[in-house]
Amino acid sequence: DTGVSQDPRHKITKRGQNVTFRCDPISEHNRLYWYRQTLGQGPEFLTYFQNEAQLEKSRLLSDRFSAERPKGSFSTLEIQRTEQGDSAMYLCASSLEPGRALVNEQFFGPGTRLTVL
Amino acid sequence: DQQVKQNSPSLSVQEGRISILNCDYTNSMFDYFLWYKKYPAEGPTFLISISSIKDKNEDGRFTVFLNKSAKHLSLHIVPSQPGDSAVYFCAAKINTDKLIFGTGTRLQVFP
Repeated sequence: DTGVSQDPRHKITKRGQNVTFRCDPISEHNRLYWYRQTLGQGPEFLTYFQNEAQLEKSRLLSDRFSAERPKGSFSTLEIQRTEQGDSAMYLCASSLEPGRALVNEQFFGPGTRLTVL
Repeated sequence: DQQVKQNSPSLSVQEGRISILNCDYTNSMFDYFLWYKKYPAEGPTFLISISSIKDKNEDGRFTVFLNKSAKHLSLHIVPSQPGDSAVYFCAAKINTDKLIFGTGTRLQVFP
């Protein structure tokens, strides 16, 4: 399977704990994105990388959130001191950079569902 | 500030008929629009897109129409099939790749 993969698929944690999610993009894609989706809403942009450089961060990404893509391949999203409001589906997507594809669509992974008790 | 709006949370259509899903946006700077389909427990899957310089794009059973003056786009599915039952998201972007999504419309196609 050469699609976007995410691990874990589900995470249950207690308030105050730290959690880390991993995303493996499609291998030839140099752009990687993180989104968050809550019930009844569409995905909301959090941040994105081109290769290892983090190019944009949303205001939604508080100081408790950090994302990395150290070698320009997989990425991790860490949430420190989790709060109940962090409960959501965290989606990762990847794409080619503009100009390298006819349609610059983003391919999404299955998501990691986080529940903070 | 909801820049992309899908005002119909759900739509029910009989198999074989046309499904029309609507999307409105407020930012005239959007230059690309996309539709995604999402099944439960899966990530969104790209369906079809349209550039702001076009007013129609067709791919098999799926057609997207863009009315820039009204800041409105629609997705037509014809004929609708039971396998089309899913949540459909409209998304838009400006220059950068950041996608701004609507809240989704749940489509149910019944026999």
